[in-house]
Amino acid sequence: QQQVKQSPQSLIVQKGGIPIINCAYENTAFDYFPWYQQFPGKGPALLIAIRPDVSEKKEGRFTISFNKSAKQFSLHIMDSQPGDSATYFCAASIGSGGSNYKLTFGKGTLLTVNP
Amino acid sequence: SAVISQKPSRDICQRGTSLTIQCQVDSQVTMMFWYRQQPGQSLTLIATANQGSEATYESGFVIDKFPISRPNLTFSTLTVSNMSPEDSSIYLCSVKTGHYGEQFFGPGTRLTVL
Repeated sequence: QQQVKQSPQSLIVQKGGIPIINCAYENTAFDYFPWYQQFPGKGPALLIAIRPDVSEKKEGRFTISFNKSAKQFSLHIMDSQPGDSATYFCAASIGSGGSNYKLTFGKGTLLTVNP
Repeated sequence: SAVISQKPSRDICQRGTSLTIQCQVDSQVTMMFWYRQQPGQSLTLIATANQGSEATYESGFVIDKFPISRPNLTFSTLTVSNMSPEDSSIYLCSVKTGHYGEQFFGPGTRLTVL
């Protein structure tokens, strides 16, 4: 059972475009939703994260939108650059109630930003 | 955040042998995790490395195959035992810092089993 569903699997945009990656979760106990960026041959890097008490969080060119009722969250990359070309993973975890913060990952989105 | 290093960065091993992967953190952390990332795939949690006690394994992963040590708050090892080609993956350690569960990953160990 996949608890975090991510789409699309791959995405190609032109430089300056705004790629949007979507994730949906099933477990309503999740209370922490990070996004990771991974370049080939590297470990995933924490990009931005949100908790369900806010609907949007922005850090630089990266924005998370969160819809608690729909159990969905998405990553928007403003003014995308070729250097943003990477695989992006959404994830979710439970940070309270005795859980041990285990991350459940989506399957990833390969983003290509063309010059 | 935390600075995490892993050794080795990559290795090519023969079927039936074992490999121990080391994870070192630059500060004391309470929670460390080991993940597996098969080629072109997402990350799957293998186990939580508990300091001073046995690791907690996820469904599908067993201690005999993936023994883990956590001797102190800055270091852990994962051993991949009796390897087969299906064990070819990237193995990543991560640490939890912060109040809300922020996890930071090491650079990974790329394992190829022939």
